[in-house]
Amino acid sequence: EDQVTQSPEALRLQEGESSSLNCSYTVSGLRGLFWYRQDPGKGPEFLFTLYSAGEEKEKERLKATLTKKESFLHITAPKPEDSATYLCAVQAVSGGSNYKLTFGKGTLLTVNP
Amino acid sequence: SAVISQKPSRDICQRGTSLTIQCQVDSQVTMMFWYRQQPGQSLTLIATANQGSEATYESGFVIDKFPISRPNLTFSTLTVSNMSPEDSSIYLCSVRDVNGRDNEQFFGPGTRLTVL
Repeated sequence: EDQVTQSPEALRLQEGESSSLNCSYTVSGLRGLFWYRQDPGKGPEFLFTLYSAGEEKEKERLKATLTKKESFLHITAPKPEDSATYLCAVQAVSGGSNYKLTFGKGTLLTVNP
Repeated sequence: SAVISQKPSRDICQRGTSLTIQCQVDSQVTMMFWYRQQPGQSLTLIATANQGSEATYESGFVIDKFPISRPNLTFSTLTVSNMSPEDSSIYLCSVRDVNGRDNEQFFGPGTRLTVL
């Protein structure tokens, strides 16, 4: 069974204080690892898909990296508007047409001014 | 990326009643999904909505409780039947973007359901 564990559950940073969020996963075969941002009362907003170990993707202050067992979301010099819940999900290679996402519980990031 | 809308955005319902949630996409997509997000829990896939055939349900979810329709490539409905307070949750429609060069999956804004 595919599993995703995110840590920490909550993270509080000062504006400008860089840090990383962790996503550990077990999956039979990885089709893709997804990162989303979710603001209160809204649906998840797609950020990145990573496919293979060693891959990195960047968007503004965010950089996602991937190894064979985990992914990190690095936040450089965060701003208060980066405050949100960040969700990690995996998509397994199974049956060819199954695009199910298995999610972690998320990390609630708060950035104080 | 596809733009997804859901109706209603929220509702409060009585135990034993049913609610149908609509999902509309601004472009044709091959794959549509329905997820549930319960308080303190991970997003969980309910089913894949297949155009022209029955939905494919995940373990723990059944058609009698969550009937799904997908009449075309831009629209789907999820019905939550014979509701109980345990069905209080956020229900989210998701699509896999068939036009994207990358493997991307997008979510609608969600429907917040409270069952009394």
